[in-house]
Amino acid sequence: GDSVTQTKGPVTLSEGTSLTVNCSYETKQYPTLFWYVQYPGEGPQLLFKVPKANEKGSNRGFEATYDKGTTSFHLQKASVQESDSAVYYCVLGLQGGRALIFGTGTTVSVSP
Amino acid sequence: NSKVIQTPRYLVKGQGQKAKMRCIPEKGHPVVFWYQQNKNNEFKFLINFQNQEVLQQIDMTEKRFSAECPSNSPCSLEIQSSEAGDSALYLCASSLGAQDTQYFGPGTRLLVL
Repeated sequence: GDSVTQTKGPVTLSEGTSLTVNCSYETKQYPTLFWYVQYPGEGPQLLFKVPKANEKGSNRGFEATYDKGTTSFHLQKASVQESDSAVYYCVLGLQGGRALIFGTGTTVSVSP
Repeated sequence: NSKVIQTPRYLVKGQGQKAKMRCIPEKGHPVVFWYQQNKNNEFKFLINFQNQEVLQQIDMTEKRFSAECPSNSPCSLEIQSSEAGDSALYLCASSLGAQDTQYFGPGTRLLVL
C-alpha cells in the first residue's frame, strides 16, 4: 500500500547546527511530495511541495529533493534556529483527489 | 498563511453527547477535507467534499459521524454520540481542486469526558 516513513523523534539540536529528517515513501503512483510543519496549538502549515521527481523544494532555509530512484524526500536545513522547533511531517499526495498520507511526524527541539 | 477558519477551537462533551464543529474554507476553495489527528500525531481522513457533494468518506463517518458543506454556509462535522475515543484534534483543510495543495485550519480540539 501507500505509506510514508520518517525519522522517529524527538530530535534535539542546538542553534546553528544542521538538521536532517529522513523520509521515504512507497507507492505505485506518481506522487506529489510535501513537507508540512505544525507548531503547538496550530494546524499543519505547508512548508513546501515538489510535484516532480528529481526536483528540489525549498522555503525558509529548508530544502528537500524528490528522489524517485531511492523513493526519498529528506528534509534538510543547514543552520537551525530556536523558532524552528516544531513537528515536521513528510506527506504523500496521490492522484484522484485522495486524502493526504502523513508520516508519523518528527518532533524537532532547538535550544538557544 | 492559511485562511481556513475553524470554530470552536475547543469543545468539551460528555459521553453520548453531540459534538459539532464548523469550518469556513479559504475563499474560492471548493474542496474541503476533514481529518482527525490523535494524541500520537496520527492523521485519519474522515470525509471530503467538492462544493456540496461528498467525494470520499471512510466507513466510520457513515455511522456516528455526519458532515455537510451547504451552499453559502460553513461546512460542519458532527458526532452524534461522542465516545472517549473521539477525543482528538479535528482538522479542516481546503484546496482549489481535489488534487491541489491542501491548506489547514487551526483545528477544533475535542475532549470527551
